[in-house]
Amino acid sequence: EEQLLESGGGLLQRGGSLRLSCAASGFTFSSYDMSWVRQAPGKGLEWVSAINPSGDSTHYADSVKGRFTISRDNSKYILYLQMDSVRPDDTATYYCAKYIDLWGRGTLVTVSS
Amino acid sequence: DIQMTQSPSSLSASVGDRVTITCRASQDINNYVAWFQQKPGKAPKSLIYEASELQSGVPSKFSGSGSGPDFTLTISSLQPEDFATYYCQQYDTYPLTFGQGTRVEIK
Repeated sequence: EEQLLESGGGLLQRGGSLRLSCAASGFTFSSYDMSWVRQAPGKGLEWVSAINPSGDSTHYADSVKGRFTISRDNSKYILYLQMDSVRPDDTATYYCAKYIDLWGRGTLVTVSS
Repeated sequence: DIQMTQSPSSLSASVGDRVTITCRASQDINNYVAWFQQKPGKAPKSLIYEASELQSGVPSKFSGSGSGPDFTLTISSLQPEDFATYYCQQYDTYPLTFGQGTRVEIK
């Protein structure tokens, strides 16, 4: 069964750093684009970042460009999101997604001011 | 950036109703539109890809249509488990963008 499981969320202060992880299983991780998508409390979905299968091409939303870094370890089947210089408006549940067809359960990040 | 304008933002419907939700893309997206269902407190679930292709395991009461700029998600006969929020997404061009969502409520 294909599965994604995020971890690493928590409470942090403005300006802090956090690294999210997403463990993949049940499919050939190295064959797929992977994304991070977030959802602020009570709001809609916002795409954050994506990475190609080999990890040498990345894309970011303007709202996180220069602060967040996406990466992957294909040998470990893990997707990462390094979050630096966080702001209160980064508060959200962060989901990882395999291309557009499989989502994890999400991990909550809360940034206090 | 490509804007996906989704309508309506909410609707009330009864069990058995046919429901239609629309997304309009601001640019050509080559039919690379997906539809997702999200229930409260849960992750989104993929329903449709490439405008009209049903994801594996998704019931055939869900269908997608359109070829730009307007795309449609139809639920042929609404059931209690279908009350949720639905989102469209274009995945033709980065940054990927979502519609604002449509909340389907019980009348």
